[in-house]
Amino acid sequence: EPEVTQTPSHQVTQMGQEVILRCVPISNHLYFYWYRQILGQKVEFLVSFYNNEISEKSEIFDDQFSVERPDGSNFTLKIRSTKLEDSAMYFCASSEPPGQKYEQYFGPGTRLTVT
Amino acid sequence: RKEVEQDPGPFNVPEGATVAFNCTYSNSASQSFFWYRQDCRKEPKLLMSVYSSGNEDGRFTAQLNRASQYISLLIRDSKLSDSATYLCAVGERGGNKLTFGTGTQLKVEL
Repeated sequence: EPEVTQTPSHQVTQMGQEVILRCVPISNHLYFYWYRQILGQKVEFLVSFYNNEISEKSEIFDDQFSVERPDGSNFTLKIRSTKLEDSAMYFCASSEPPGQKYEQYFGPGTRLTVT
Repeated sequence: RKEVEQDPGPFNVPEGATVAFNCTYSNSASQSFFWYRQDCRKEPKLLMSVYSSGNEDGRFTAQLNRASQYISLLIRDSKLSDSATYLCAVGERGGNKLTFGTGTQLKVEL
């Protein structure tokens, strides 16, 4: 069964450093997403991406965040200057093309720890 | 009012019991509805989409009530392996963000 994959599974970084989280969505999916979940809290939407551009973003997704699809398979989330409060699980998700079910499938996540 | 609201539980039930969860949403323009299961420190796994006509998948039944703006999940014949947190997720329109509830924790006991 196709699945979303993410690397690394755990990233430790110092405050102020840049991190790049990587995702490989399901191959025939065209919508891509990033969500985060701070420990003990709910899953929160960050950004959605379709047709090589951001289609929607939340208030959390400020100027320190960016997304990119550098090639035909990867989808990345960059945090330019990490803060302590960026520590969370970051989940990538993907869904089928328009007209289909829009069911979002999540990757296993990257646990980001900012020290 | 929170966008998506769930009773956090925990619901402690014996094996074999039937348990039901509800989830309310505030945006009447919401168009897509889902139940996910999340095990501790793991990703949300899609359990089922929820349709107006209701849908069933084995021991799981989901219902949508648009008039009252809530969705429900019924689990019959609970198994130990059903122990997890069940997340309700609501989308405004296809292809965009899901808003999640905080989840309802289920513990199935012997």
